[in-house]
Amino acid sequence: AQSVSQHNHHVILSEAASLELGCNYSYGGTVNLFWYVQYPGQHLQLLLKYFSGDPLVKGIKGFEAEFIKSKFSFNLRKPSVQWSDTAEYFCAVMTGGYQKVTFGTGTKLQVIP
Amino acid sequence: DTEVTQTPKHLVMGMTNKKSLKCEQHMGHRAMYWYKQKAKKPPELMFVYSYEKLSINESVPSRFSPECPNSSLLNLHLHALQPEDSALYLCASSPAFGGYTFGSGTRLTVV
Repeated sequence: AQSVSQHNHHVILSEAASLELGCNYSYGGTVNLFWYVQYPGQHLQLLLKYFSGDPLVKGIKGFEAEFIKSKFSFNLRKPSVQWSDTAEYFCAVMTGGYQKVTFGTGTKLQVIP
Repeated sequence: DTEVTQTPKHLVMGMTNKKSLKCEQHMGHRAMYWYKQKAKKPPELMFVYSYEKLSINESVPSRFSPECPNSSLLNLHLHALQPEDSALYLCASSPAFGGYTFGSGTRLTVV
């Protein structure tokens, strides 16, 4: 069965700092990869997704992620965070006939003004 | 319409009650999902419907009963729940190749 690891559980950054959140998955077959964000009190929103093609994927709100197949990784990056980026970030892997999505344990990002 | 609408937003029910959660989308997505999310935990898949047929049941107890009356609606019928079933229940939909669109969830409390 596939699994998703997010090693950073809680990250605290100052505004304008650069962000990189780690995501590693374990699955030997073809995967599709996602990052979701959950702002306080709100529902999950899709930030970006990778299905095929260019491994550097750009999403909404200035976020990007790079798929490195050899490392089974899909790390999320943003060059300069804002206070409004304070949220929980979930990496997710889709396998099994494109229906089953497994979420990582999440990383809580706190941006200090 | 690019939303998934869930009702009710909050629900408190006793262990002997029967209630239903509803989910609706009008994006033409043919896959719909129920997830359960406990506090400070990631969402856990419960059920997947594909073209209105149940395709995945993640060994969910029978006190949870899903139903997909048509391609736009997804229900979750609840009966004889336990306090540990208290959680945020999320509905999502997706096209064949794409990310999920999540609803805002129903926060369920079982007393």
